[in-house]
Amino acid sequence: GQQVMQIPQYQHVQEGEDFTTYCNSSTTLSNIQWYKQRPGGHPVFLIQLVKSGEVKKQKRLTFQFGEAKKNSSLHITATQTTDVGTYFCAGPGYGGSQGNLIFGKGTKLSVKP
Amino acid sequence: KAGVTQTPRYLIKTRGQQVTLSCSPISGHRSVSWYQQTPGQGLQFLFEYFSETQRNKGNFPGRFSGRQFSNSRSEMNVSTLELGDSALYLCASSLMWSERTQYFGPGTRLLVL
Repeated sequence: GQQVMQIPQYQHVQEGEDFTTYCNSSTTLSNIQWYKQRPGGHPVFLIQLVKSGEVKKQKRLTFQFGEAKKNSSLHITATQTTDVGTYFCAGPGYGGSQGNLIFGKGTKLSVKP
Repeated sequence: KAGVTQTPRYLIKTRGQQVTLSCSPISGHRSVSWYQQTPGQGLQFLFEYFSETQRNKGNFPGRFSGRQFSNSRSEMNVSTLELGDSALYLCASSLMWSERTQYFGPGTRLLVL
């Protein structure tokens, strides 16, 4: 079935280092969304990318959507302790998953001060 | 605007019991989706309701059911609880059925003993 995969599963960085998480879909996506879940919290919507090759920035966060619309990345520059959490990508389901949102398993980021 | 609210926040049940969880979406949002989150399986889609009708359903057994009321509030029910049903149950709302951006509530943490 349709899958959305994320790597790495875990990432430990020193505060100030950069961080990148990658998302790959088994199918072409019409759009991709990114969410952040703080420890003990719930997923919070960050951004949606729609166009092939699209790049969007939110302060220190840079989001990219691949040219083939099957992959995406989130890059954080100069991480801070406030960046700690799990980052999920999600894409719309097709076929048997039509109408669903398919989430990757997330990348858990820890930041050492 | 108030966010998505879920009650109860924590619940302990024993195997074989049933449980009902409640979700109130953001005011004006008409679509409510339910997700199960576990460390092993990640975020998995349960079902989505819009205008009191179930629009989509994930790959879960019939023990999992839901409904939506005319004021868009939603409930999900799990009957004959199993140990594996222990999870964080998240409700998310969006403006319309076709709107994929999900606004999550704080979740109900269910522990089945």
